[in-house]
Amino acid sequence: GDSVTQMEGPVTLSEEAFLTINCTYTATGYPSLFWYVQYPGEGLQLLLKATKADDKGSNKGFEATYRKETTSFHLEKGSVQVSDSAVYFCALRGDSNYQLIWGAGTKLIIKP
Amino acid sequence: NAGVTQTPKFQVLKTGQSMTLQCAQDMNHEYMSWYRQDPGMGLRLIHYSVGAGITDQGEVPNGYNVSRSTTEDFPLRLLSAAPSQTSVYFCASSPPGTGKGKLFFGSGTQLSVL
Repeated sequence: GDSVTQMEGPVTLSEEAFLTINCTYTATGYPSLFWYVQYPGEGLQLLLKATKADDKGSNKGFEATYRKETTSFHLEKGSVQVSDSAVYFCALRGDSNYQLIWGAGTKLIIKP
Repeated sequence: NAGVTQTPKFQVLKTGQSMTLQCAQDMNHEYMSWYRQDPGMGLRLIHYSVGAGITDQGEVPNGYNVSRSTTEDFPLRLLSAAPSQTSVYFCASSPPGTGKGKLFFGSGTQLSVL
């Protein structure tokens, strides 16, 4: 079945460092891919998405490119801030349904 | 915009007690779902609904019941609480069509079963 694998955390970085959180997937067909973010004490919220190969999703300085050849959707940001500290979830949705398949989440800690 | 509203925010139960977690959305979304979030396990789908009168089981449905009598409301019932149900519960909804996959989450209910 479909699955999503994320790098284990926590990931600890200093402010202004470059961020990469790896996400790879296994799926049949042409899934849509998502990154969600969960700030402390809150529910998840959509950060960015990509619906077809080579699409790049971007939001709040974060980017991720849908790479079908490597089945990856890595999250990147050029210069992180303390306010980016959160848990980040990669997810995919199959062609024709509502259900999301979730990664386990990666906790990001940014130190000033 | 209220979005997805969950109540209560915190709840402590004794083993064997029952309770209902409330979820309401004001966005006219067809799809609603309940997840539980446990440390190191990400999100696991409990039950979901694709419209009023339609519900289905997710990955971990045992011990939970749902109903969907209106588009707006999707309550989750714990019939006889067990310590294994200690978790954070999230309700989420999604619009149809091209909005599928964009989930709107409530702020969560932290449940402890003693």
